[in-house]
Amino acid sequence: ETGVTQSPTHLIKTRGQQVTLRCSSQSGHNTVSWYQQALGQGPQFIFQYYREEENGRGNFPPRFSGLQFPNYSSELNVNALELDDSALYLCASSYLFGSDEQYFGPGTRLTVT
Amino acid sequence: SQQGEEDPQALSIQEGENATMNCSYKTSINNLQWYRQNSGRGLVHLILIRSNEREKHSGRLRVTLDTSKKSSSLLITASRAADTASYFCATAPSNDYKLSFGAGTTVTVRA
Repeated sequence: ETGVTQSPTHLIKTRGQQVTLRCSSQSGHNTVSWYQQALGQGPQFIFQYYREEENGRGNFPPRFSGLQFPNYSSELNVNALELDDSALYLCASSYLFGSDEQYFGPGTRLTVT
Repeated sequence: SQQGEEDPQALSIQEGENATMNCSYKTSINNLQWYRQNSGRGLVHLILIRSNEREKHSGRLRVTLDTSKKSSSLLITASRAADTASYFCATAPSNDYKLSFGAGTTVTVRA
């Protein structure tokens, strides 16, 4: 148990729709990162938030956006869903800004039809 | 693109045997981490080794890092059925904070 929770566990959406995924970090963790993991692949970095500000993103288009709240919760929003967005979405929190040990949630499995 | 590449892609061993997997990467790093993932769920952090360290142990895990060859290895000794999982290396580049994961090694431990 990492103390990081995500909701929902599974989600099915139709192409073109919008989706919001939620994450609750460990208390005291000021940094949250989001990852996309396609089947059979490793996680791909989407973006990282530190104290409610986005401080970097990976190679993902602007239709992927996020929010971080003062109560250690965060959201990943994806607009105009495409079939290739089907994946496991993972959030990970950490004490420090940067790239030290991260605590992952169980993930949300998104299926786009 | 993924900076780390694990080798082999899959590994099947008998309970009690040792499992070794390798990770190669491309750019200079701040640290390298190994994670375990069971059945497509969340990742669990196993061990972090910094660029100025050469070897690190944690229980039945031993990690080595060779920065001159840009490679690392993870050894799991006396494997158990519960070690069946996918193992990922993740690198933190020197000039960046983004963790970059490889595609993973799938380990199956047979009873």
